[in-house]
Amino acid sequence: SQTIHQWPATLVQPVGSPLSLECTVEGTSNPNLYWYRQAAGRGLQLLFYSVGIGQISSEVPQNLSASRPQDRQFILSSKKLLLSDSGFYLCACLGGTNEKLFFGSGTQLSVL
Amino acid sequence: LAKTTQPISMDSYEGQEVNITCSHNNIATNDYITWYQQFPSQGPRFIIQGYKTKVTNEVASLFIPADRKSSTLSLPRVSLSDTAVYYCLVGTRNNFNKFYFGSGTKLNVKP
Repeated sequence: SQTIHQWPATLVQPVGSPLSLECTVEGTSNPNLYWYRQAAGRGLQLLFYSVGIGQISSEVPQNLSASRPQDRQFILSSKKLLLSDSGFYLCACLGGTNEKLFFGSGTQLSVL
Repeated sequence: LAKTTQPISMDSYEGQEVNITCSHNNIATNDYITWYQQFPSQGPRFIIQGYKTKVTNEVASLFIPADRKSSTLSLPRVSLSDTAVYYCLVGTRNNFNKFYFGSGTKLNVKP
């Protein structure tokens, strides 16, 4: 089964600073990959998804971007963070022949 | 794209059976119905998945009526450790590969 690695687990960044969150996947090839964000006490918001290298679809207009430089690597970035970018960021992988999403452990981002 | 509606919260006591219903009126023909459990500061964890009728595994049962416009997650004999948020998700990789989560149901199990 798939294993998803996300880091860092916790991140505190000042407003206006850049961001790079990395997600890597083991145990599968050519996976569909997703970035979700969860505000405190809220549900999961789909930010980006990717069906292959270099293929990124954005769900919500924002100052975040995503890239997929390798088959099992998915990166979430920002050039200048906003206070509203704070939240719990989760990387997910669509597994196997069933429509099951497997999630990483998440990154708690606080923008101050 | 199918939108899901769930109760915001539910209370239960240890040892009781809990049923959480999700409404998905515009579910597409190829969509699967999947339920996830999320604890604070963790990623959601897969519980159970179904397409139609009834599915049972070691932790839960999923009931899906013939019209598939709703589904019910059944947790037998809940314990305190089942206190979590439960999400119903409807989708398929063929549906533009998008998977949208609803607001989820916060289940609070009391002793």
